[in-house]
Amino acid sequence: AQSVSQHNHHVILSEAASLELGCNYSYGGTVNLFWYVQYPGQHLQLLLKYFSGDPLVKGIKGFEAEFIKSKFSFNLRKPSVQWSDTAEYFCAVKLRRSKLTFGTGTRLQVTL
Amino acid sequence: ETGVTQTPRHLVMGMTNKKSLKCEQHLGHNAMYWYKQSAKKPLELMFVYNFKEQTENNSVPSRFSPECPNSSHLFLHLHTLQPEDSALYLCASSPRLAGGAETQYFGPGTRLLVL
Repeated sequence: AQSVSQHNHHVILSEAASLELGCNYSYGGTVNLFWYVQYPGQHLQLLLKYFSGDPLVKGIKGFEAEFIKSKFSFNLRKPSVQWSDTAEYFCAVKLRRSKLTFGTGTRLQVTL
Repeated sequence: ETGVTQTPRHLVMGMTNKKSLKCEQHLGHNAMYWYKQSAKKPLELMFVYNFKEQTENNSVPSRFSPECPNSSHLFLHLHTLQPEDSALYLCASSPRLAGGAETQYFGPGTRLLVL
C-alpha cells in the first residue's frame, strides 16, 4: 500500500520568507498528486494537483509544486509567504483505482 | 463555497446516544466519501459510495453506519460510540470514482465529541 510522508510537522516562518514543504510517497508507479490546504476553521480545499505533463505545477495564491519522479517527491513551494498562509497543508497521493492517501499534514505558522 | 455542506458542524454525544451526520453535495457528483480526521494522524478514509452503491468500507466498526439514498446525500449514523471516536468527520465528493484523475471536494466537517 502506498504511504505519504510529510516530514515537517510544524513550520514557523516570518512574513516574506520562502516556503518549501516536503512530501514523499512510497509508490513508484503512475500517481496523481495533490496538495490540500485547511485554513483555521475552514474546510479542506485543493491548492494544486498534478496528473501529467509539466512536472512544475502552479496553484492558487502563488503556490507551486514540483513532481520529481526519481525522488518520489512532490514538494510545495512559495517564494514569499503571507500571514494569511497560516494553515495546515496536506499532501495526498492517488494511484489509479485506489483510494486517496493523505500525509499527516504540516502546520504552517506565519508570523508578522 | 465548496458545494459540499455538512450538518451539524458540532456535535456532543454520550456513548449511549444515537445521532446522524448529514452531507449534501451540490456539484452533480456521483461519488461520495466519509473521512475521519484525528489530531496528528492522516485523514482516514471510512466509506466510499459510487452512484449510491457502497464500494469501500475501510474496516470501520459497525457502530458507524453509512447511508446514501441518492448521489447528492450521504449520512453517517452513529450509535454507542466510544470517546476515541471523537474527531472531525469530513465528507467529500468527486465527479466519479474510476481512474486516478479525480479531484475530491470536501465539506467543512462535523466536529464530534463523545463523552
